[in-house]
Amino acid sequence: RKEVEQDPGPFNVPEGATVAFNCTYSNSASQSFFWYRQDCRKEPKLLMSVYSSGNEDGRFTAQLNRASQYISLLIRDSKLSDSATYLCVVNIKTWVRDDKIIFGKGTRLHILP
Amino acid sequence: DGGITQSPKYLFRKEGQNVTLSCEQNLNHDAMYWYRQDPGQGLRLIYYSQIVNDFQKGDIAEGYSVSREKKESFPLTVTSAQKNPTAFYLCASSISRSVEQYFGPGTRLTVT
Repeated sequence: RKEVEQDPGPFNVPEGATVAFNCTYSNSASQSFFWYRQDCRKEPKLLMSVYSSGNEDGRFTAQLNRASQYISLLIRDSKLSDSATYLCVVNIKTWVRDDKIIFGKGTRLHILP
Repeated sequence: DGGITQSPKYLFRKEGQNVTLSCEQNLNHDAMYWYRQDPGQGLRLIYYSQIVNDFQKGDIAEGYSVSREKKESFPLTVTSAQKNPTAFYLCASSISRSVEQYFGPGTRLTVT
């Protein structure tokens, strides 16, 4: 099983709809989690950190399910500008060397007018 | 404005030449990173540094070298030993290793 897995998509979603996607991780020692968005040919930009209790930022909600080892991102009232690739990032605590940071390959989202 | 700058945005080189990519940050971050991204692929870690004058190999360090002489600067040299150097190179920094990273705009390197 890969350390971090995401459905590559694309998810084609009409404007105004709600869309959600998950990211699974295999290492139970994973400690911190983040969602980034990456526009075509641009750098990744931090969207939000994911906290154990779940967190919301405007139309975006991130949740962590430690028992099933996945994080999720929910986008409500989707806008055309939400079209991007969404990367999940998992930070794994290791005891023999520095923390290991794993980037998922991303989920492509297309919002349709 | 605080941020991370990378230069140049596009770089073209002939095979067999070494090339150095610049990365500067004024965020006062201790940790800095270099990643490589190939089309349709995820980010792969080349090198990282948690403190001045110290750096560690990432997953794909072969054919690359770095230095960290100043906190603000973490240049990456792509040597002629790197077999497939054409890629999008991203520099990032963070306050420490286990927290969120912030990325520069990237350098697209094409080697022919």
